[in-house]
Amino acid sequence: GQNIDQPTEMTATEGAIVQINCTYQTSGFNGLFWYQQHAGEAPTFLSYNVLDGLEEKGRFSSFLSRSKGYSYLLLKELQMKDSASYLCAVSDSNYQLIWGAGTKLIIKP
Amino acid sequence: EADIYQTPRYLVIGTGKKITLECSQTMGHDKMYWYQQDPGMELHLIHYSYGVNSTEKGDLSSESTVSRIRTEHFPLTLESARPSHTSQYLCASSDGGAHTGELFFGEGSRLTVL
Repeated sequence: GQNIDQPTEMTATEGAIVQINCTYQTSGFNGLFWYQQHAGEAPTFLSYNVLDGLEEKGRFSSFLSRSKGYSYLLLKELQMKDSASYLCAVSDSNYQLIWGAGTKLIIKP
Repeated sequence: EADIYQTPRYLVIGTGKKITLECSQTMGHDKMYWYQQDPGMELHLIHYSYGVNSTEKGDLSSESTVSRIRTEHFPLTLESARPSHTSQYLCASSDGGAHTGELFFGEGSRLTVL
């Protein structure tokens, strides 16, 4: 079956750096997405990786290793507003998104 | 800023009722999706559409129907609501397909079936 694994919850301190990991096993691969979802709100797009390597976008970076079935989202200079769930999703061979359950990130002062 | 709207935002109804969740987008996107999301769980695809008069079933489609008569409108109907339908329903749209383009999500419809 197809599977996306990411930690259920993580805690970090304001101003610090946190890395949220995502491993996947899917039938085919057509890209990996990260979304941010604040409590009670809609998910919003953060990043898309289809080739190996690091994609940087401001305080957020996303890394992909297709051979390892692995990605991470790196958040730098954490702010309280970064407290949210971070969803990893993989586009499979049929271009359907397979979603992880999300990682709830708690930022402490 | 995404322009995709869902109504109602919150709904409490009794078992056996027929309900329709509305979703409209003003971005001219061809592709639209309905997802179901429970707290702490992954999103599950219910239905999707790649254009007018085109609809496909996802993983959890067996108890609901959709229609796509106009590009901007993609309503979801439950013919007979049950307590197991209690969940958050998210509508999304995309202009490039889920494999290349980002999904724009509505604010969601939270349904409670008593």
